[in-house]
Amino acid sequence: GDSVTQMEGPVTLSEEAFLTINCTYTATGYPSLFWYVQYPGEGLQLLLKATKADDKGSNKGFEATYRKETTSFHLEKGSVQVSDSAVYFCALSSNTGKLIFGQGTTLQVKP
Amino acid sequence: DGGITQSPKYLFRKEGQNVTLSCEQNLNHDAMYWYRQDPGQGLRLIYYSQIVNDFQKGDIAEGYSVSREKKESFPLTVTSAQKNPTAFYLCASSIGLAGGPAGELFFGEGSRLTVL
Repeated sequence: GDSVTQMEGPVTLSEEAFLTINCTYTATGYPSLFWYVQYPGEGLQLLLKATKADDKGSNKGFEATYRKETTSFHLEKGSVQVSDSAVYFCALSSNTGKLIFGQGTTLQVKP
Repeated sequence: DGGITQSPKYLFRKEGQNVTLSCEQNLNHDAMYWYRQDPGQGLRLIYYSQIVNDFQKGDIAEGYSVSREKKESFPLTVTSAQKNPTAFYLCASSIGLAGGPAGELFFGEGSRLTVL
């Protein structure tokens, strides 16, 4: 079945460092891909999405490119801030009409 | 403001008791979902509903029950049959099923259930 695999955390970075969180997927068909973010004590909110191969989603300085050839959707940010500390979830829309989530990656940014 | 409201935020339960978690949305969304979140395991789908008076089991439905009598409301009951109910529960909604072009889920702030 469809699945999403994220790099394990926690990821600890200093402020202004470059961020990459890896995400790979297995799916039938052509799913849409998403990154959601969960700030402490809150629910999830959509960060960015891409609906077809080679699309780049971007928001708040974060970017991710839908790579069909490598089945990947890695999240990147050029310069992280303390306020980016959160749990990040990669997800795909399966052909059964459900979102499949990865296990989440915790990011801690230190001043 | 439009959104999803979950209550209570924190709930304590004794073993053997059923508890019901509330989820209300005013986004006029057709689809609603319940997820369970455990540390290191991501989100697992419990139940989902595409329309009123209809719902489907997700991946971990055993020990849970839901109803969808109104479009706005999708309460989750954690029954005494659920072996390990202590978790963070998240309700979400979307315009259509998440596989559609919209794809985006809107989440509530969650309910943390602790079984004593």
